[in-house]
Amino acid sequence: AQSVTQPDIHITVSEGASLELRCNYSYGATPYLFWYVQSPGQGLQLLLKYFSGDTLVQGIKGFEAEFKRSQSSFNLRKPSVHWSDAAEYFCAVESNFGNEKLTFGTGTRLTIIP
Amino acid sequence: EPEVTQTPSHQVTQMGQEVILRCVPISNHLYFYWYRQILGQKVEFLVSFYNNEISEKSEIFDDQFSVERPDGSNFTLKIRSTKLEDSAMYFCASRGRRINEKLFFGSGTQLSVL
Repeated sequence: AQSVTQPDIHITVSEGASLELRCNYSYGATPYLFWYVQSPGQGLQLLLKYFSGDTLVQGIKGFEAEFKRSQSSFNLRKPSVHWSDAAEYFCAVESNFGNEKLTFGTGTRLTIIP
Repeated sequence: EPEVTQTPSHQVTQMGQEVILRCVPISNHLYFYWYRQILGQKVEFLVSFYNNEISEKSEIFDDQFSVERPDGSNFTLKIRSTKLEDSAMYFCASRGRRINEKLFFGSGTQLSVL
């Protein structure tokens, strides 16, 4: 069964600084990979996804993620964070059959300081 | 962008009572899901529904849970006799007919069992 590990429970960065959120997955083949963001009291918004092809994927709000098969990782990056990026970030994996359930990581809470 | 709508946003109930959580998926979508998130924990898959039947369910989705698409537009989750541990945010999600299509999440229903 697939699984996702987000090793950082809470990260604090200064506004304007760069950000990297880590995600490692376990799956027998190349999975579909996702990053979602959840602002307080809100639902889950898709930031970006990887299905195949270029291993560097661009998402909304200036985020990007890189799929590294050798490291089973799909880390999320942003070159310069804004105060509005403070939220909970979830990495998720889906089997490559598609239209199936997502398995989420435990999430990383991002705090932005002035 | 189209939206998945969930009502109510917050529901409080007494232990042992039945609750029905309602969702209106995006109109031309064919795959429907319920996920839940207990406070401070990760988002967990409950059930997927396609072609008017359950296609997959998790261990959490026991006999106390049921889903229904009663009228072709609504998608409901019923908990027959709520327990304290059912307190969570419940997310509905839907997806279109093609593999690789984006999964749209609703903003969730916060269920509090007292």
